[in-house]
Amino acid sequence: QSVLTQPPSVSAAPGQKVTISCSGSSSNIGNDYVSWYQQLPGTAPRLLIYDNNKRPSGIPDRFSASKSGTLATLDITGLQTGDEADYYCAVWDSRLSVRLFGGGTKLTVL
Amino acid sequence: EVQLVESGGGLEQPGGSLRLSCAASGITFSSYEMTWVRQAPGKGLEWVSHISSSGSVIYYADSVKGRFTISRDNAKNTLYLQMNSLRAEDTAVYYCSRGLRGQGYYMDVWGKGTTVTVSS
Repeated sequence: QSVLTQPPSVSAAPGQKVTISCSGSSSNIGNDYVSWYQQLPGTAPRLLIYDNNKRPSGIPDRFSASKSGTLATLDITGLQTGDEADYYCAVWDSRLSVRLFGGGTKLTVL
Repeated sequence: EVQLVESGGGLEQPGGSLRLSCAASGITFSSYEMTWVRQAPGKGLEWVSHISSSGSVIYYADSVKGRFTISRDNAKNTLYLQMNSLRAEDTAVYYCSRGLRGQGYYMDVWGKGTTVTVSS
């Protein structure tokens, strides 16, 4: 069981919006900046969001994220079938001195 | 083009050893922190180890501490992961990634991974 809690799965129709949560504690999300990664089936992870809410170049603005206290969220709007993937949050835990990944959320675009 | 290419994976018996390599190109390797992340079959991502740009600061996940050793050769633009006392639960795809620091740390470039299977 992960220290960072993500819903195992979310789903929505094409064009709709979905929100993926990542819940932690004061020693991790509450104390550091969150990054998010997208992993398409059979591929390596790809950086989606860094520093809580910044997008690397090449990431569409349909992807956005925020953090409040010990909860981080990733929003994806205008869903496309190509967004079907696993999504992971990541953050440093200052109490454990390890980097944590959330358990991952599988997005299905119906 | 920035590229990370992992190698060294394979089938090994429990208790055995493997050394993974990650060759970097298109970057000034010595300027970057590096991270190993693994993914067991059908499971999520698991952070394994981190090394600073000079190699002076190293962290490990509890699951590999005392068995795995991360290192780097900046002259050869290569990151390593020495894996000893392998267990079945070490079976995974191992990814190396480049780290950047903005306000926080994040991994912006990933290799395609190398597969490690520990089985008798």
